[in-house]
Amino acid sequence: KNEVEQSPQNLTAQEGEFITINCSYSVGISALHWLQQHPGGGIVSLFMLSSGKKKHGRLIATINIQEKHSSLHITASHPRDSAVYICAAGNTGNQFYFGTGTSLTVIP
Amino acid sequence: DAGVIQSPRHEVTEMGQEVTLRCKPISGHNSLFWYRQTMMRGLELLIYFNNNVPIDDSGMPEDRFSAKMPNASFSTLKIQPSEPRDSAVYFCASSFSAGYTFGSGTRLTVV
Repeated sequence: KNEVEQSPQNLTAQEGEFITINCSYSVGISALHWLQQHPGGGIVSLFMLSSGKKKHGRLIATINIQEKHSSLHITASHPRDSAVYICAAGNTGNQFYFGTGTSLTVIP
Repeated sequence: DAGVIQSPRHEVTEMGQEVTLRCKPISGHNSLFWYRQTMMRGLELLIYFNNNVPIDDSGMPEDRFSAKMPNASFSTLKIQPSEPRDSAVYFCASSFSAGYTFGSGTRLTVV
């Protein structure tokens, strides 16, 4: 059983579409991270959140602690958003549980 | 800010050889993390340091792996002896309070 489950595994969208990636976790956490990894391998930390909602540009991350669920939304998607998005749950001991990632392709 | 700097970017070595990966965290960041990424297992946390002290090394696969952080600006991950199953991309990340910054990774191939 995975402590962190992401869905969907793969996602293809047309440019401009609103995109949602979901993450459910079963462990107690101190923070939930969303990471972005482009082809070529570099990893960027998009968000670290422990409650509520955070917004950065066209990206929005939300978390519901009671339901142990987080979502990453991309508004007005663009081909440059094509990447793998990884959800990671971190507990107070700084142990991390990683989702398997969602591979997003945005078609022009 | 140059970000988290890892070296080398690529390393190809023969089985049985010692491999040392290096990481320079962002100045002022007090936590440093070593991760390994493979196709089969995805991202895994190997070890992390807080204020140069190893806090949790439960992710280190076995005794062949060791990590040090002699000062706030430098860390190493050593594999001795290396094995083909160690082939992966190894990422270093540093953080201070909110958010993480990842290095570009070291792609290790053990043949």
